[in-house]
Amino acid sequence: EPEVTQTPSHQVTQMGQEVILRCVPISNHLYFYWYRQILGQKVEFLVSFYNNEISEKSEIFDDQFSVERPDGSNFTLKIRSTKLEDSAMYFCASKGVTPQPQHFGDGTRLSIL
Amino acid sequence: AQSVTQLDSQVPVFEEAPVELRCNYSSSVSVYLFWYVQYPNQGLQLLLKYLSGSTLVKGINGFEAEFNKSQTSFHLRKPSVHISDTAEYFCAVRVNRDDKIIFGKGTRLHILP
Repeated sequence: EPEVTQTPSHQVTQMGQEVILRCVPISNHLYFYWYRQILGQKVEFLVSFYNNEISEKSEIFDDQFSVERPDGSNFTLKIRSTKLEDSAMYFCASKGVTPQPQHFGDGTRLSIL
Repeated sequence: AQSVTQLDSQVPVFEEAPVELRCNYSSSVSVYLFWYVQYPNQGLQLLLKYLSGSTLVKGINGFEAEFNKSQTSFHLRKPSVHISDTAEYFCAVRVNRDDKIIFGKGTRLHILP
């Protein structure tokens, strides 16, 4: 069964540094998402992306965050200047046509030092 | 605004006993409902979904859930749990016109030998 894959599985970064989290969605999917889960808390929506533009973003997704689909297969989340509170598990998800469910990757654990 | 409530943060159950994990949602419009499972140190896996049709939906690993519109509930059940069911279970809702998923806080299922 096709999967959403995320790399790296664990990223350790110094506070203030830029970080890029990478995702390869399922190949024929059209909708892409990022969520995050701070340790011990619930999964929170960050951003959705369709047709090469952001379709919705949460209040968490401020100017420090950006997403990109640089080619036909990758979907990236960039955090420009990381803060301690950015430490979390970041999940990428993708979806085919509505109303099918979103399929999630295994996540990238981001640790900010 | 939509929300999902999982009243039980932890549910201990003896192996081979039945279990019910409770989920209530609030929404003024029709929704799609999901249960995701997160095994230790893994990502989110879709357990089952309600999109339309029969209110009783069956998922993987012997789980099922019943959509009750009048009670705005989508409780997850399994008649006989196994040690391998130890995981965190997230109820989630997606509103018809929106695309993001809103997650509950999760219920940790703890199987007792």
